Amino acid sequence: EDKVVQSPLSLVVHEGDTVTLNCSYEVTNFRSLLWYKQEKKAPTFLFMLTSSGIEKKSGRLSSILDKKELFSILNITATQTGDSAVYLCAVRDNAGNMLTFGGGTRLMVKP
Amino acid sequence: DAGITQSPRHKVTETGTPVTLRCHQTENHRYMYWYRQDPGHGLRLIHYSYGVKDTDKGEVSDGYSVSRSKTEDFLLTLESATSSQTSVYFCATNGDGTGELFFGEGSRLTVL
Repeated sequence: EDKVVQSPLSLVVHEGDTVTLNCSYEVTNFRSLLWYKQEKKAPTFLFMLTSSGIEKKSGRLSSILDKKELFSILNITATQTGDSAVYLCAVRDNAGNMLTFGGGTRLMVKP
Repeated sequence: DAGITQSPRHKVTETGTPVTLRCHQTENHRYMYWYRQDPGHGLRLIHYSYGVKDTDKGEVSDGYSVSRSKTEDFLLTLESATSSQTSVYFCATNGDGTGELFFGEGSRLTVL
């Protein structure tokens, strides 16, 4: 059974801070790891990672995967109040077409 | 956006009553999924479909059934709702099973 664990569970920072969110996983035949941002409603896609060591970047957000140590991190620099959300990590294995999600990290950015 | 519409968006029902949630998509995606989201558990897969009339169970399928008679519609049925099925239900779709999932806005179900 695939397993995804995210840490920390929650985090409170002030605007301008840099944060690092962690995602560790156990999957039999790894295919990809995805990050989502969830505000009040539907999760929205951020990144998909398939190869170790290659950083994906979008504005102030970046993510990297380590397939040897089985984890990924999501970095957010110069945080803004609009970054307040739950960040979800998910993995897909080669056996199926499903995503297994972690419990999420709730980020609150204070002005 | 993948044009995913869930209905109803909010429902309050009583224990023992049947409930059907509908997911409608306009992108002709092959794969459709039903997840439930509860505090501390993230998103957990209930059932998914990989084509018309082709469905399979997820990790929390007990008490739920699904049907897909058309590409665009995926129905989730609770035959006899229980309080433990109070949750937010998300439908998601994917074109080829390899990339990102696109999510609907969610359906909040309360079982009293």
